[in-house]
Amino acid sequence: EVQLLESGGGLVLPGGSLRLSCVASGFTFSNVAMSWVRQAPGKGLEWVSSIRGSSDKTDYADFVKGRFTITRDNSKNTLYLQMTSLRVDDTALYYCAKRGAGYNCDGGGSCHYYFDHWGQGTLVSVSS
Amino acid sequence: DIQMTQSPSTLSASVGDRVTVTCRASQSIGGWLAWYQQKAGEAPKLLIYEASILDAGVPSRFSGSGSGTEFTLTISSLQPDDFATYYCQQYNSYSLTFGQGTRLEIK
Repeated sequence: EVQLLESGGGLVLPGGSLRLSCVASGFTFSNVAMSWVRQAPGKGLEWVSSIRGSSDKTDYADFVKGRFTITRDNSKNTLYLQMTSLRVDDTALYYCAKRGAGYNCDGGGSCHYYFDHWGQGTLVSVSS
Repeated sequence: DIQMTQSPSTLSASVGDRVTVTCRASQSIGGWLAWYQQKAGEAPKLLIYEASILDAGVPSRFSGSGSGTEFTLTISSLQPDDFATYYCQQYNSYSLTFGQGTRLEIK
């Protein structure tokens, strides 16, 4: 059974930093691209970042580029999101998500994903 | 970025009804569309990918169709467990984008 368990959320001041973690089990973690998706309170879903299994490619939403960094440690089956320069509008529940099997790779070598398993999320609150 | 627009934003229906949710993309995404169901306080659950393929274990009353810029999610006979919020997501290109959601509520 696939399980994704996020941690690391909390209350942080604007401009502060936080590192989220997601421990995965139930599948061969190193073979699978992983992503972070967030959901502000009462709002919809928003993709944040994705990373390939081998870490050779990462992608980011424009609103986090230069501030957030996605990494993974395949020896620990763990996905990370390092968040810096946090803003009030980064307040959200952050989900770790596993890419589905039928992903889309274009001719340029870029792959795009849907998500077949999600964690329960970790809440990040940015407030003074 | 590709914008995904769902309609309606809220849908009131009764158990046994057939309901349809529409998702429109601002440019063609081929068939690279997924649908999710999210209940209050829970993580999203994948229902459909590649516009029409049901994920494992999803009841057959759910179906998806469409290609290019217009897609639909249909529930053939609403069950009490189906009252939730539904999201579409394109995975044709980055940034990956979701629709704003359709809340399905009990009439």
